[in-house]
Parts: sequence; C-alpha cells; structure tokens
Amino acid sequence: DIQMTQSPASLSASVGETVTITCRASENIYSYLAWYQQKQGKSPQLLVYNAKTLAEGVPSRFSGSGSGTQFSLKINSLQPEDFGSYYCQHHYGTPPTFGGGTKLEIK
Amino acid sequence: DVQLQESGPGLVKPSQSLSLTCSVTGYSITSGYYWNWIRQFPGNKLEWMGYISYDGSNNYNPSLKNRISITRDTSKNQFFLKLNSVTTEDTATYYCARNWDGWFAYWGQGTLVTVSA
Repeated sequence: DIQMTQSPASLSASVGETVTITCRASENIYSYLAWYQQKQGKSPQLLVYNAKTLAEGVPSRFSGSGSGTQFSLKINSLQPEDFGSYYCQHHYGTPPTFGGGTKLEIK
Repeated sequence: DVQLQESGPGLVKPSQSLSLTCSVTGYSITSGYYWNWIRQFPGNKLEWMGYISYDGSNNYNPSLKNRISITRDTSKNQFFLKLNSVTTEDTATYYCARNWDGWFAYWGQGTLVTVSA
C-alpha cells in the first residue's frame, strides 16, 4: 500500500494567518491526491481533488499544489470556520489510503 | 442532492459479525459511481474498507479481504457492510461514501460501532 505522511500533526494559528499543510506519498502518485476537512463529530468534507482542483463550494482561500510525492494545502487568511482536522488521501488505484491528519487549532 | 445515512447496532461482541446499512437518497445506486465503506479508528486514522459498484461488482481492501462483504438491495437503494470475526480492533466510526474517480465527495454522518463483551 502507498503510505501517506502528513506534517505537521498539529498546528496552532490565528485568524487571518496563512498556513500550509504538507503531505508526502511513499511513491509517485502523479496528481492523484485529495484533501479533506473534518470538524469534530462530523464526517470529512472534500476540499481538493487531483491535487489542485477545488471541490464545489470550497472558498478560494484554499489551494492545493504538488505532484509526484510532495503535496501541500495552503489556507490564506484563516477564518474561524477553518479550524478542525485536515487529511490527505491518494486516489491512485486501490487501496486508497489517508494521511494521519493535521489538527489546526486556534492560537 | 445525494444523501447517505448509516444505521446499525452500536455494540457488537467479539467474534461476532458487524452489520451496517447505508441508505441512499437522491441518487440510484445502480445509476453510477462506487459505493464505499470507510472507517475511522479512535485516534482518527481513516481506512478504506471496500466498495460495491453501480454494476454490483466489489473491490475490497486486501487487509480485510477474508472478513468483509459488501452487498446491496437495489429495491431499497441500500448497500450493506458485513465484517466477520470482529475484535476490539474493529471499534471505529463507520462511514459510507460515494466516489468515482477516487475521491470521496459524499459521506454519511457516520455511526460508532464498539466491539466489547
């Protein structure tokens, strides 16, 4: 299976700041990467797929980049509703696997 | 808009089978897409378990291959998860989700299943 490694595991930031979360794949997954946001007690919500395509309804302050084995999710001008956990997931064949998550907290 | 809803027992005894139902509204499960089960363990690790396709074919995570079965009832627009010989390691929140090109755009709200005597 392809291993997905996220960093950092946790992150503390203030409203208005810009943050970046990274995800590394154990082998080349081209651009087959998705990002999700999860709030406490809720299901994950799709943010980005194909590494850089925003899902419908996702604000433009979110952006995804990368290819191959290195990817990142950038959030510009953090809003209060952006705090929660973020997960990457490769969609290059099966089984799809997820990163361990990044918990974004309010400073 | 498509909606998915999980249901089933919240407590299962070790060595027994775990059975869950995903009820889908707003889209026929025979019209397209793959219909998946994903679980999230305490500590938040996510694991894809498998899917049943719109045409009835299956694909399972090899880590579960001998214990898992995903079936459907097209008349009720539901699909089901059965996981045999559960242990406490199978305690998790179970989600059903829809995908096509590999990403999961629609998820149910999840149901917590605890395996305990």
